[in-house]
Amino acid sequence: QKEVEQNSGPLSVPEGAIASLNCTYSDRGSQSFFWYRQYSGKSPELIMFIYSNGDKEDGRFTAQLNKASQYVSLLIRDSQPSDSATYLCAVTSGNQFYFGTGTSLTVIP
Amino acid sequence: DAGVIQSPRHEVTEMGQEVTLRCKPISGHNSLFWYRQTMMRGLELLIYFNNNVPIDDSGMPEDRFSAKMPNASFSTLKIQPSEPRDSAVYFCASSIGTSGSNEQFFGPGTRLTVL
Repeated sequence: QKEVEQNSGPLSVPEGAIASLNCTYSDRGSQSFFWYRQYSGKSPELIMFIYSNGDKEDGRFTAQLNKASQYVSLLIRDSQPSDSATYLCAVTSGNQFYFGTGTSLTVIP
Repeated sequence: DAGVIQSPRHEVTEMGQEVTLRCKPISGHNSLFWYRQTMMRGLELLIYFNNNVPIDDSGMPEDRFSAKMPNASFSTLKIQPSEPRDSAVYFCASSIGTSGSNEQFFGPGTRLTVL
């Protein structure tokens, strides 16, 4: 079992809709959770991080963490074509840092 | 701020050759990470350094891979001998602090092709 699991997609949503990206992790002791965005041919860049249970909002982005269910999600409101990218979930566990394989998102104009 | 600098950006080599990838982290960052990304396996952490000291190299696939960080501003990842299955994009990233829980800033990557 992989440390971090994501649905590889592709996920397609129309412009203006809410995109929902999901991630599960296996180590219940994981401490920190990150969402990175990676455009094709580019390097990953951080969008959000979350440490505590609940929701964290930053502009159009909301990260949700449920440690009991070992689940973290990213919601993108009012999706734009520029949001089309691969979204990587990352989790720290002890000294280790694990990435999921990413979910490809396409926002259709 | 120049960000994380990696060289070369592209490398094409033949099986059996030695390959050296280079990374200059962001000044002031004291953690450095080497990753490998492929379509099949995604982004894999190979090794990371805190204050120039290797902390965890459990992700290094085998003895053909080695990494060094002789000072705070330079690191290398070496593959000797290289094999076709090593073809991937190799990213270097750096962060402030040593806990691994801080934002990592990624370099542009080195696309390695081993023929």
